[in-house]
Amino acid sequence: NAGVMQNPRHLVRRRGQEARLRCSPMKGHSHVYWYRQLPEEGLKFMVYLQKENIIDESGMPKERFSAEFPKEGPSILRIQQVVRGDSAAYFCASSPEAVDEQYFGPGTRLTVT
Amino acid sequence: DQQVKQNSPSLSVQEGRISILNCDYTNSMFDYFLWYKKYPAEGPTFLISISSIKDKNEDGRFTVFLNKSAKHLSLHIVPSQPGDSAVYFCAASAVLSAGNKLTFGGGTRVLVKP
Repeated sequence: NAGVMQNPRHLVRRRGQEARLRCSPMKGHSHVYWYRQLPEEGLKFMVYLQKENIIDESGMPKERFSAEFPKEGPSILRIQQVVRGDSAAYFCASSPEAVDEQYFGPGTRLTVT
Repeated sequence: DQQVKQNSPSLSVQEGRISILNCDYTNSMFDYFLWYKKYPAEGPTFLISISSIKDKNEDGRFTVFLNKSAKHLSLHIVPSQPGDSAVYFCAASAVLSAGNKLTFGGGTRVLVKP
């Protein structure tokens, strides 16, 4: 059973470009979470999704950030018009049910130049 | 507003001895607590969890203790091994009231010396 998959592992974008981060949850997991880790800090919750639904986006910045988890395919975290402050590690996690422990992917390291 | 705090940024311990990591929280709605281990350039790995209805949970070398009145939990690793050298994160959620989003502490870097 493959773990949570994230791609790309590393992403470099210039200021103003768009970044798309992908997450495939573990098989049988229908709950997906995105977290961001800034350098030397803990992980911060961004958004919680189930198939075709955003359940909780209380941690998402109000502008430029969006997330989806379509019926088919991976979950996507999209950052439009990236700025240097968006440089961070973005982790996706999944769980089989809402009350279960979350399993994390290896992360995508976004660098904005 | 840091709802989950790990006040020790680092810990150094001799191989074979006990590692004790501490975590404090402020939100009394938290009812589920987890510990994760993280190596550089990897995602966090789930270690052990505890529900607020318990005060102790044990899994092999890892034991988590929860003191609800003090809003404090700790992770004991015994015996410590060099492969335990990593950053450890405490996390909490208020599953019954706010879903399963995790609030993380800032992490404690553990170094186990051979």
